[in-house]
Amino acid sequence: EAQVTQNPRYLITVTGKKLTVTCSQNMNHEYMSWYRQDPGLGLRQIYYSMNVEVTDKGDVPEGYKVSRKEKRNFPLILESPSPNQTSLYFCASSLGQSLNTEAFFGQGTRLTVV
Amino acid sequence: GENVEQHPSTLSVQEGDSAVIKCTYSDSASNYFPWYKQELGKRPQLIIDIRSNVGEKKDQRIAVTLNKTAKHFSLHITETQPEDSAVYFCAASMWGSNFGNEKLTFGTGTRLTIIP
Repeated sequence: EAQVTQNPRYLITVTGKKLTVTCSQNMNHEYMSWYRQDPGLGLRQIYYSMNVEVTDKGDVPEGYKVSRKEKRNFPLILESPSPNQTSLYFCASSLGQSLNTEAFFGQGTRLTVV
Repeated sequence: GENVEQHPSTLSVQEGDSAVIKCTYSDSASNYFPWYKQELGKRPQLIIDIRSNVGEKKDQRIAVTLNKTAKHFSLHITETQPEDSAVYFCAASMWGSNFGNEKLTFGTGTRLTIIP
């Protein structure tokens, strides 16, 4: 089954404790991105990757890191989480380069930083 | 960068009536406009999209219209049913270009409630 898988689904952590949210897709998609969803703000892009070893900042990259060492995986790293990073996070992938424009989203990770 | 505004933020309609959600965008270079539906506790999923070379697209009870001159596009849902209750997001993007980041810029969402 074609899918984007995120883990964990829920995470409660303390300020300053490094964490990683994993994202994996099995559709051989080139383009992957991370969004955060906050009430009244919609979905905002954090980082994106056009292919392996190619990543760049989105609209709200501060406090986040990503890596793309393999085509299928695109982890989101919070080196020192803060309470303002409490949010619902979505990973998304698409074929990219206008081959197929539909973005497929993971099931989401609800992060709480206390 | 692109900015997408979406209205209304909440919408309640009687079952069987029509619902319309409107979005405006700022960058005239945007050429791809998808709509995503997010049911409670679920991930956003594409329901319909339109490219800038067409003015309207229909898929059963849903349709999207695009006015490039005015830079706005709308989602129309006819004969609404309880399962249409969800949050709907519009988005804009510049696909097929050399801009690099073919990102989706989303609107802030509309919570649609269908009243039985």
